[in-house]
Amino acid sequence: GEDVEQSLFLSVREGDSSVINCTYTDSSSTYLYWYKQEPGAGLQLLTYIFSNMDMKQDQRLTVLLNKKDKHLSLRIADTQTGDSAIYFCAVRRSQGNLIFGKGTKLSVKP
Amino acid sequence: SAVISQKPSRDICQRGTSLTIQCQVDSQVTMMFWYRQQPGQSLTLIATANQGSEATYESGFVIDKFPISRPNLTFSTLTVSNMSPEDSSIYLCSVAGQGEAFFGQGTRLTVV
Repeated sequence: GEDVEQSLFLSVREGDSSVINCTYTDSSSTYLYWYKQEPGAGLQLLTYIFSNMDMKQDQRLTVLLNKKDKHLSLRIADTQTGDSAIYFCAVRRSQGNLIFGKGTKLSVKP
Repeated sequence: SAVISQKPSRDICQRGTSLTIQCQVDSQVTMMFWYRQQPGQSLTLIATANQGSEATYESGFVIDKFPISRPNLTFSTLTVSNMSPEDSSIYLCSVAGQGEAFFGQGTRLTVV
C-alpha cells in the first residue's frame, strides 16, 4: 500500500537551517503537505505543494519536490527555538484522505 | 478555507462506556475524514464519512466499534464504543479543500 517515510529525529542549532526529508510511494498523489505539531497541540498546516510544482517558498519555509524520486523536503531557514516540534509529511490520496509519515522531531538548541 | 469545530476537546472515560465526538464545519463539504493518533504515533485514517451513505472504514476499523453519522454536509459524529485503555488517543476530523486539508483541534481521549 501507500507509504510515507521520514527520519524520526533532527537536531540543529538556533540560527541554522533545518532540512526535513520525506519519501513516498504513491506517484498519483496530487498534493503534498507539511504539518507542525507542538506538544499537546493539534496539527498546524505549514504549507502544501501541488504535484506539478518543483518548489514553493513561504517566508522561512521552502518546500522542494522531486516527483521522479518521490522525494519531498522542508527547509526552515534561520531556525528558532520556537520551531521545536514534530513535523509530519503527508500525501493526498485520490480518495481525498491523507497518508502521514511517522513525523520528524525537530530539536533546536540555543 | 474551512474552520472545523470539534468537541469535546478532551475527556476521561471509564472502560466499557462510549463517547461521541462531534465535528462541525463552517462550509458544506462532500467528504469528511476521521483519524486517530495514538500516543507518540502518527495519524491513521479510521473512516471516510459521506453524506447520505454508509461510512467507508479502513482495514482494522469496524462500524460496531466506531459508528459514524453524517446527517448533513456540515456535520459528523464519531462514536468510540465499549472503550478500553487501548482506545486512548487523539481523534481528529478533517476535510479536504481544493488544495488545503483542514483538521479540527482533536479530541484527546483517556480511557481509565
